[in-house]
Amino acid sequence: DAKTTQPTSMDCAEGRAANLPCNHSTISGNEYVYWYRQIHSQGPQYIIHGLKNNETNEMASLIITEDRKSSTLILPHATLRDTAVYYCIVSVLFGSARQLTFGSGTQLTVLP
Amino acid sequence: GAGVSQTPSNKVTEKGKYVELRCDPISGHTALYWYRQSLGQGPEFLIYFQGTGAADDSGLPNDRFFAVRPEGSVSTLKIQRTERGDSAVYLCASSTSGGADTQYFGPGTRLTVL
Repeated sequence: DAKTTQPTSMDCAEGRAANLPCNHSTISGNEYVYWYRQIHSQGPQYIIHGLKNNETNEMASLIITEDRKSSTLILPHATLRDTAVYYCIVSVLFGSARQLTFGSGTQLTVLP
Repeated sequence: GAGVSQTPSNKVTEKGKYVELRCDPISGHTALYWYRQSLGQGPEFLIYFQGTGAADDSGLPNDRFFAVRPEGSVSTLKIQRTERGDSAVYLCASSTSGGADTQYFGPGTRLTVL
């Protein structure tokens, strides 16, 4: 799977949009971009994924650049409960398995 | 509905002992994954089951690690002759049928080997 690069940490004010960047310059045409987050002492939680089009769900929006070499996860109105480590993952299907290769992620801290 | 559950939540053992970690996936999910997370790191893939069979065990670090899923539901991760380096959080995830389906994670089992 392609390697991803994320900032180690970010802060965001409560109620503001949190924009988390991810670089994946070696992504292949059949690799998806996934975002998971992990709140302290819990298992990772799925947020969103996409291939090349921008995606939006009830949790977040995913903006993927036209060349697919980078993406941004947007939490439109961050709350204190959004404080977590956010993982950007690019993943390809091997047979019927999809291994998620997690990096170190971005520690997002939402400040009151 | 109920999510993925894992037991025990914490396990402390002594070096050289044998341990079993249990995962109950979401009902009806045929795909089950085990990951291991060391302190300060992201989770690392260990093994993937599709039904009862291990479809991909390429992440198991050595032959002390073994996992089973005899009836295609509950899975047990077994570690023989535990070493201090095995200390980590062991995470289980399940998905509807593997592939592109979303993986839902359990809370993990924190294993400490003294």
